[in-house]
Amino acid sequence: DAKTTQPTSMDCAEGRAANLPCNHSTISGNEYVYWYRQIHSQGPQYIIHGLKNNETNEMASLIITEDRKSSTLILPHATLRDTAVYYCIAGTTTDSWGKLQFGAGTQVVVTP
Amino acid sequence: ETGVTQSPTHLIKTRGQQVTLRCSSQSGHNTVSWYQQALGQGPQFIFQYYREEENGRGNFPPRFSGLQFPNYSSELNVNALELDDSALYLCASSLPQPSGGYTFGSGTRLTVV
Repeated sequence: DAKTTQPTSMDCAEGRAANLPCNHSTISGNEYVYWYRQIHSQGPQYIIHGLKNNETNEMASLIITEDRKSSTLILPHATLRDTAVYYCIAGTTTDSWGKLQFGAGTQVVVTP
Repeated sequence: ETGVTQSPTHLIKTRGQQVTLRCSSQSGHNTVSWYQQALGQGPQFIFQYYREEENGRGNFPPRFSGLQFPNYSSELNVNALELDDSALYLCASSLPQPSGGYTFGSGTRLTVV
């Protein structure tokens, strides 16, 4: 599985968009980009995933660059409840689909 | 949907003892994975079960073992506990080759003293 690189931490003002970057320069053609988040004392929560097209759901948008070497998770209107550690993961949905390679993630703090 | 339920929520064991952690998968999910999360780190994959058989394992010694039952519930067993086994143990369930993500439980906090 490709390794991902994320900033250690970032702050965001409540009500503003939060843009979380992720580098995955060694991603292979069949690897998806997954985003999870983990609120303190809870298990990770799935947010979104994509292969090469941009994706949007009720939680967030995922923008993947054309060369697929990086991506950005966008939380359109951050709330205090979005304070969490956000994990970007690259992996396939076949032989390693149960094996998510979590890194250290980005600690996002949303402030009033 | 009832989500993923793990028990117990907290546990304290003595070094050298054995422990069994339990997980009830989300309804309809026949695949379960276990993760270990040390304080301040991301979760680390232990192993995965599909239809009662292990079909993937991370870099964990054999004293970490598991079971999946016909109703898709699961157990994680750890023998000869070490102090470094102190961590949050997470269970995640999914459909095989999920189109979406995995559903995680809230975990069991194990402390080895």
